[in-house]
Amino acid sequence: GAVVSQHPSWVICKSGTSVKIECRSLDFQATTMFWYRQFPKQSLMLMATSNEGSKATYEQGVEKDKFLINHASLTLSTLTVTSAHPEDSSFYICSAMGYNEQFFGPGTRLTVL
Amino acid sequence: SQKIEQNSEALNIQEGKTATLTCNYTNYSPAYLQWYRQDPGRGPVFLLLIRENEKEKRKERLKVTFDTTLKQSLFHITASQPADSATYLCALGDTGRRALTFGSGTRLQVQP
Repeated sequence: GAVVSQHPSWVICKSGTSVKIECRSLDFQATTMFWYRQFPKQSLMLMATSNEGSKATYEQGVEKDKFLINHASLTLSTLTVTSAHPEDSSFYICSAMGYNEQFFGPGTRLTVL
Repeated sequence: SQKIEQNSEALNIQEGKTATLTCNYTNYSPAYLQWYRQDPGRGPVFLLLIRENEKEKRKERLKVTFDTTLKQSLFHITASQPADSATYLCALGDTGRRALTFGSGTRLQVQP
């Protein structure tokens, strides 16, 4: 099946710093990628839909100035958590839309101290 | 508002038995429903998709049913094995909005 990678797999940062997470579709092109966030023992919550070459669409309650999304190519979307705070600590998962199916990345564990 | 409910209690079963997990939803008319497996610290892995006009889908030891009247899907793992221990998520989708809406998952523990 199609492969989606994320980098880094985990990151620890200080409060106030910015962190960039990359999501790549390795063997297919994805015009649409999704970013989800998952807190412990909770569901995956959609944060935003990333469309190649255009602005991301954010879900209600997600601050677009805090979670910057760039989808510059058909195989790469990035999520930058700006001025991170401890409450941003979570598991961030991306997915890439294939022809008729979503393929999920392995996730990135962000811990903000 | 849309709501997806999965049994938050962990399901413990003996190896070789059939595990049955439930997904109920309200205020939603999905075009399809998917089941995923998620291991700790990992992203979800796709297992099965069933469309609104399908009643049942099978894949090896897995079986999914979809009752749009009851607004419920059942996910069965037959001849369960300890390696099947994981959290299982149901996710609903529609043709217009391609992002998925996930339930919170049910943790399955298969005892040897």
